[in-house]
Amino acid sequence: GDSVTQMEGPVTLSEEAFLTINCTYTATGYPSLFWYVQYPGEGLQLLLKATKADDKGSNKGFEATYRKETTSFHLEKGSVQVSDSAVYFCALRTANQAGTALIFGKGTTLSVSS
Amino acid sequence: DVKVTQSSRYLVKRTGEKVFLECVQDMDHENMFWYRQDPGLGLRLIYFSYDVKMKEKGDIPEGYSVSREKKERFSLILESASTNQTSMYLCASSLRRQGAYGYTFGSGTRLTVV
Repeated sequence: GDSVTQMEGPVTLSEEAFLTINCTYTATGYPSLFWYVQYPGEGLQLLLKATKADDKGSNKGFEATYRKETTSFHLEKGSVQVSDSAVYFCALRTANQAGTALIFGKGTTLSVSS
Repeated sequence: DVKVTQSSRYLVKRTGEKVFLECVQDMDHENMFWYRQDPGLGLRLIYFSYDVKMKEKGDIPEGYSVSREKKERFSLILESASTNQTSMYLCASSLRRQGAYGYTFGSGTRLTVV
């Protein structure tokens, strides 16, 4: 079945460091791909998305490019801030016979120190 | 912006109690979802619904049921709460079944069963 695998955390960085969180997927169809962020004590918020190959999603300085050839959707940010400390979830959504619930990775915790 | 509202942020219930978790969305979204979130396990889908009075089992439906009598409201019911149902419960809604539409999440209900 469809699945998402993301790098295990926690990821610990200093402020202004470069961030990469790896995400790869397995899907039978042509999924849409998402990154969600969860700040402490809150629900998940959509960070960015891409709906077809080579699309780049971007928001708040974060970027991810839909790479069909490597089935990847890695999240990057050039200079992280303390306020970026959160849990990040990669997810995919594709139509199938049972309907289309989002499938999530297990999440990667990012901790940024000043 | 679409809002998804979960009735309680924190709940403490006793083993064996019947527990109702309520979720309301203020747009005309067709799809609604219940997930539970546990450390190391990520988000796991409990139930989802495509429309009023429709429901589909997710990955872990045992011990839960749902009700969707109105389009805007999706209730999760723990028939007889047990300590292994202590978790963060997240409700989400989505406009369409497939592809490019992500979810809007509520803030979550942290349930403790004692």
